[in-house]
Amino acid sequence: DAGITQSPRYKITETGRQVTLMCHQTWSHSYMFWYRQDLGHGLRLIYYSAAADITDKGEVPDGYVVSRSKTENFPLTLESATRSQTSVYFCASSGTGDRVVGELFFGEGSRLTVL
Amino acid sequence: GESVGLHLPTLSVQEGDNSIINCAYSNSASDYFIWYKQESGKGPQFIIDIRSNMDKRQGQRVTVLLNKTVKHLSLQIAATQPGDSAVYFCAENIQAGTALIFGKGTTLSVSS
Repeated sequence: DAGITQSPRYKITETGRQVTLMCHQTWSHSYMFWYRQDLGHGLRLIYYSAAADITDKGEVPDGYVVSRSKTENFPLTLESATRSQTSVYFCASSGTGDRVVGELFFGEGSRLTVL
Repeated sequence: GESVGLHLPTLSVQEGDNSIINCAYSNSASDYFIWYKQESGKGPQFIIDIRSNMDKRQGQRVTVLLNKTVKHLSLQIAATQPGDSAVYFCAENIQAGTALIFGKGTTLSVSS
């Protein structure tokens, strides 16, 4: 059972390049999330999605773009990567219905380094 | 600033001791709280949750206490084991329709 998978797990890129981190879940969960984790900041919400074609900004959305054309996929794109976007990115999903609470199931993370 | 925070960034205990990890939140409207455990190189995993209409909830070897008067949340781990070594995060839901907000985490180190 795959659950929630992220790819790539590790990525090194250069400043100014476009990078897309993929997230796929097999539970048909309504909600999906992208968090970044940095030392001293914990987990900060970038974007989330309540359903296909519905997305919303989190705490730190600048420099990121998301899409949700299918329920199971929630890619995160850095249109022009900056060094400050070096981080570990976690995708998560939740099956909760009427509000965005409940247990989040996290992927294993994607470690991105921007040189 | 951070809505959810933890009192101590690190906690070291001996195997077999009970551990208490604390978390303070600032928004009195928050009505749902979760504790997550994150092992090195992995994503966070759910431990236990509690709603604001409860003061205490118990799981297997873990208990979460909620004190709404002082806006404080704690996670108690009984008979701490080396496998409990990880970073622990509390998270809150501030209002309906929004996502969980995480605190910065406490690193628990268990020595045998």
